[in-house]
Amino acid sequence: DIVMTQSPDSLAVSLGERATINCKSSQSVLNSSNNKNYLAWYQQKAGQPPKVLIYWASTRESGVPDRFSGSGSGTDFTLTISSLQAEDVAVYFCQQYYNYPWTFGQGTKVEIK
Amino acid sequence: QVQLQESGPGLVKPSETLSLTCTVSGGSISSHYWSWIRQPPGKGPEWIGYIYYSGSTKYNPSLNSRVTISVDTSKIQFSLKVTSVTAADTAVYYCARGSSSHGGTFEIWGQGRMVTVSS
Repeated sequence: DIVMTQSPDSLAVSLGERATINCKSSQSVLNSSNNKNYLAWYQQKAGQPPKVLIYWASTRESGVPDRFSGSGSGTDFTLTISSLQAEDVAVYFCQQYYNYPWTFGQGTKVEIK
Repeated sequence: QVQLQESGPGLVKPSETLSLTCTVSGGSISSHYWSWIRQPPGKGPEWIGYIYYSGSTKYNPSLNSRVTISVDTSKIQFSLKVTSVTAADTAVYYCARGSSSHGGTFEIWGQGRMVTVSS
């Protein structure tokens, strides 16, 4: 199985400041035949199911604010919230869909400082 | 718009079978992959497996021998069975629809069903 490891486990950021979450996979999730990274990011607010924010490592899902961006390739990925808003308080997960079984990271909790 | 709703018992005894159903409303069950995902309290999600509307399935090997996912296209439902449950199977169970354009991601989720394994 591909193990997804996120860092940090939690972070507190002031409103309007940048939040950065890292995700590392135990093996590459880059498909060299189509040059796509099979990596997604989800946001989970308290008491709700996860919601997909980003797929192919950097493509925003329709309706997702542009303050959310994804970057990285191969085994190292980053989710950035450029200007944290109160409604962004949540747990964020990365997920690989390169190999079965599809696997998720352990989550990063984002709070307001 | 398509909505998913899980249903089934919230309490299952150890060694018994966990059974859940996901009802799809507002759309068809055709031409998508339909997954079950679970999330133990305070942990990351775990993909259990999926079924295609045609009936083909793929399971997570960690649960492979204990899991069955089936589909009933006439009722627009798909179901999950996990046999021989233990306390480690306690989790929120979600059903979800896979994306048809970027397969492997989960674009629509149910609200989740908390299942506790306890005597």
